[in-house]
Amino acid sequence: AQRVTQPEKLLSVFKGAPVELKCNYSYSGSPELFWYVQYSRQRLQLLLRHISRESIKGFTADLNKGETSFHLKKPFAQEEDSAMYYCALMGASYGKLTFGQGTILTVHP
Amino acid sequence: DAGVIQSPRHEVTEMGQEVTLRCKPISGHDYLFWYRQTMMRGLELLIYFNNNVPIDDSGMPEDRFSAKMPNASFSTLKIQPSEPRDSAVYFCASSQRGGATEAFFGQGTRLTVV
Repeated sequence: AQRVTQPEKLLSVFKGAPVELKCNYSYSGSPELFWYVQYSRQRLQLLLRHISRESIKGFTADLNKGETSFHLKKPFAQEEDSAMYYCALMGASYGKLTFGQGTILTVHP
Repeated sequence: DAGVIQSPRHEVTEMGQEVTLRCKPISGHDYLFWYRQTMMRGLELLIYFNNNVPIDDSGMPEDRFSAKMPNASFSTLKIQPSEPRDSAVYFCASSQRGGATEAFFGQGTRLTVV
């Protein structure tokens, strides 16, 4: 079975502060991990995926297989980062994404 | 392409009524997914199709829920009879194998059952 856990439903930081959204997963094989973001009144959209090893909007996420984690980080949060963030896992079944419960990030001015 | 299109955007219905949610995936995408979003459980996969064929419906909560994909450009999710606990936002998403593994989501249908 595959499972994704985001322990924080709500996370608040001030502008300019570092932010880390936690994601832990459970999967017996080699998963593909993603972060999706939903800004207010917009569609859920892909933010980044671990295989690309990219930085999007200043966010990075490193897959730690030992700790089975895929935390999302940004060194200096901006107000426009306020959104709902979902961590997701894809296992052997192509396309089938298992999402965590989501974290609402609020960045205060 | 306008992206994944869902209708209606909002639906309010009385308990016991039939509800039909509609989805038009992105042209050329061969996978289609139905998700339900609630505060308590987050995003749950209900069912997904590949080339119009249901592959995994293990997330469909009860027999009251059914989904069809009669062709590559249209899918429906039906709830009959609806109950207040079905109130949620229902998302449709599509993706294409062979391309980047990215699911494209519709704007969702907010269902309220009173």
